[in-house]
Amino acid sequence: QKEVEQNSGPLSVPEGAIASLNCTYSDRGSQSFFWYRQYSGKSPELIMFIYSNGDKEDGRFTAQLNKASQYVSLLIRDSQPSDSATYLCAVSMDTGRRALTFGSGTRLQVQP
Amino acid sequence: IAGITQAPTSQILAAGRRMTLRCTQDMRHNAMYWYRQDLGLGLRLIHYSNTAGTTGKGEVPDGYSVSRANTDDFPLTLASAVPSQTSVYFCASSTTGKANYGYTFGSGTRLTVV
Repeated sequence: QKEVEQNSGPLSVPEGAIASLNCTYSDRGSQSFFWYRQYSGKSPELIMFIYSNGDKEDGRFTAQLNKASQYVSLLIRDSQPSDSATYLCAVSMDTGRRALTFGSGTRLQVQP
Repeated sequence: IAGITQAPTSQILAAGRRMTLRCTQDMRHNAMYWYRQDLGLGLRLIHYSNTAGTTGKGEVPDGYSVSRANTDDFPLTLASAVPSQTSVYFCASSTTGKANYGYTFGSGTRLTVV
């Protein structure tokens, strides 16, 4: 079982809709959770990070964390064609190695 | 402009040759990382360094070595390249304070071993 699991997609949504991206992780000791966006041929860029259970909102993006269920999600409201990219979920411990463990990513396609 | 610089951008390398991928950051981040990204497998950690003078092995360290002589530079060396090392390589850095604010990534090196 991979440490961080994501559905590879593609997830296709119409422009203006809400896109929901999901991620599960196996290590209950994980403390920090991140969502990165990666356009084709580019490097990942950080969108959101979340440490506490619940929701965290930043503009059109909302990250949701449920540590009991070992589940983290990213909602994108009013999806735009420019949101079409691969979204990577990443988790880390706050001690020791601290390096991020990434999921393989979900490809999002926003249809105009 | 503050950030991470990787070189070269791309490279075709004959199997058996030695190659060093360069990574330099100017953000004074303590921690640096090397990942490889392969289709369907996501980003996998090769080696990391939490501070200058220390390094550690990641998920896929075999065939790679690193050094961290100072805060800014974190080169990755392939001693004798093999075709399975064909990949896109990303260097990243982060702070090591109480809160983990995630990585800043370099633009990547696309390596093809033939």
